[in-house]
Amino acid sequence: AQRVTQPEKLLSVFKGAPVELKCNYSYSGSPELFWYVQYSRQRLQLLLRHISRESIKGFTADLNKGETSFHLKKPFAQEEDSAMYYCALWASGTYKYIFGTGTRLKVLA
Amino acid sequence: DAGVIQSPRHEVTEMGQEVTLRCKPISGHNSLFWYRQTMMRGLELLIYFNNNVPIDDSGMPEDRFSAKMPNASFSTLKIQPSEPRDSAVYFCASSRAAGAYEQYFGPGTRLTVT
Repeated sequence: AQRVTQPEKLLSVFKGAPVELKCNYSYSGSPELFWYVQYSRQRLQLLLRHISRESIKGFTADLNKGETSFHLKKPFAQEEDSAMYYCALWASGTYKYIFGTGTRLKVLA
Repeated sequence: DAGVIQSPRHEVTEMGQEVTLRCKPISGHNSLFWYRQTMMRGLELLIYFNNNVPIDDSGMPEDRFSAKMPNASFSTLKIQPSEPRDSAVYFCASSRAAGAYEQYFGPGTRLTVT
């Protein structure tokens, strides 16, 4: 079955510390993966997608097909990174979108 | 561009009542999505449309939920009869097409069923 797993509901880190938000997926085909972010009082918005291989707001995510992971990383967390983060999968073979349950990141001063 | 528009922003209703949520996608977008967000289950895709046709409704909880897209600029999500466990934030999103495209989300409707 297709699935996206975000094992941490809440992740707290101190400002300046490295951040890694975990995302694992289950899909037999070639995945298209995304990270969406929801800041307080703002709309849910795309942060980055794996096909772009870009860094947005200092965040990067590398698709690891061997480990079926797409972890989101940032070397130095900022307080403004505090938000809800969702990992999402587009399963082209079955025309399905699957979101993980989300991880709330709190960056402490 | 105002982006995806949802109404109402807040809805409080009593158990057993019918609830209708509305969404206007971004002009030119061909795909529209309805999501439900709760603390326990996170963000769940309920249904999505492509060119006004429902493509995947496997996330619709039960027959009490129904969604329509009569034209390219309007969609509704209806709950009849509503139950307290339906209390959640409901999001609508749109994208250029079905596939690996960015989804643009509306502000959400916070539904409370008492």
